[in-house]
Amino acid sequence: AQSVSQHNHHVILSEAASLELGCNYSYGGTVNLFWYVQYPGQHLQLLLKYFSGDPLVKGIKGFEAEFIKSKFSFNLRKPSVQWSDTAEYFCAVNAEGGGADGLTFGKGTHLIIQP
Amino acid sequence: DTGVSQNPRHKITKRGQNVTFRCDPISEHNRLYWYRQTLGQGPEFLTYFQNEAQLEKSRLLSDRFSAERPKGSFSTLEIQRTEQGDSAMYLCASSLGYAVTDTQYFGPGTRLTVL
Repeated sequence: AQSVSQHNHHVILSEAASLELGCNYSYGGTVNLFWYVQYPGQHLQLLLKYFSGDPLVKGIKGFEAEFIKSKFSFNLRKPSVQWSDTAEYFCAVNAEGGGADGLTFGKGTHLIIQP
Repeated sequence: DTGVSQNPRHKITKRGQNVTFRCDPISEHNRLYWYRQTLGQGPEFLTYFQNEAQLEKSRLLSDRFSAERPKGSFSTLEIQRTEQGDSAMYLCASSLGYAVTDTQYFGPGTRLTVL
């Protein structure tokens, strides 16, 4: 079965700082990868996803993520964060042919942006 | 708003009681997923439906849990003989197509507290 690790549980940054949130997965086959975000008081919503093609994917609100197969990683980046990026960020994976169509989520990273 | 809706939003019950939650997906979405999220963890997949057929159940879904989607529209999740360990946020998500790469849209969740 696949698993997802998010190593940073809490991150505090100042506005305009650059952001990188780590995500590593364990599965030897083909994977589909997702980043979801939950803003305070709101539902989980999709930031971006990768399932094939260019390993550098761009999402909403200036976020991007890079799939590095050799490192089993899918890190989330943003060059300059804003106060409104304060939220919980979840990395998720689904394994193709793994017999499971549900998503496997990491524990999440709580990001706080200080004005 | 035509997003995923869940009712009730909060449920407090005593140990041993049965509870039922409802999820209304986005109209015409074929797939409907149930997840459970406990404090400090990411969502954990429980089960999903493709139209009215329940196609997959996680090992987390004990015999006390049952889910239905009788007409391929709304779904219910019932927990019988609740235990304190069932206290969690129960999330519902829906997606339009039949591929695991299709975006899952999440509802606000039902928070269950078992006393």
